[in-house]
Amino acid sequence: DADVTQTPRNRITKTGKRIMLECSQTKGHDRMYWYRQDPGLGLQLIYYSFDVKDINKGEISDGYSVSRQAQAKFSLSLESAIPNQTALYFCATSAGRGQFFGPGTRLTVL
Amino acid sequence: QQQVKQSPQSLIVQKGGISIINCAYENTAFDYFPWYQQFPGKGPALLIAIRPDVSEKKEGRFTISFNKSAKQFSLHIMDSQPGDSATYFCAASKRDDKIIFGKGTRLHILP
Repeated sequence: DADVTQTPRNRITKTGKRIMLECSQTKGHDRMYWYRQDPGLGLQLIYYSFDVKDINKGEISDGYSVSRQAQAKFSLSLESAIPNQTALYFCATSAGRGQFFGPGTRLTVL
Repeated sequence: QQQVKQSPQSLIVQKGGISIINCAYENTAFDYFPWYQQFPGKGPALLIAIRPDVSEKKEGRFTISFNKSAKQFSLHIMDSQPGDSATYFCAASKRDDKIIFGKGTRLHILP
């Protein structure tokens, strides 16, 4: 079984809809991250959490919110999706300095 | 000061050649410099990492060269193979802080 799982893997939604992307990990890591990847822009950090009670904004948090339900679960929400949020979204975890990434969610907002 | 600048944006190398990707940073507090490899449809995966107390680290065909005074580090892929075709990200971090990624290099190895 994969150490970091993301659901759904693909999602098509409409402008204005609320959508939640979920991330679960079995690695026992305290730190979890959400990234957005667009072609040519690399990995942009949306939010990160160093433990269950800790939530921090990244460089592009506007339009997004997160919830850290447990050590193993970190969800990303788009309250009202817009087309320029169409991207590939990755969850990652870490215990030390290296990060372990999930397989990604491809989100399309029409 | 938090940026990590990566070049080139894309790179084409003949099979058997050496692929070189360069990165530069400003923040002298960074003390961990990893490289990640990403294949299409997959998440990035840690490839190799170096700390600033050494000038070079080698793992198989992959080598990181680190120049602390110039605040630069680079990834060298020796005897490049078509299976090395991927996007490579350099990154930097300091203790108990988030990782800062470069914008990535798309590497294509010609068969």
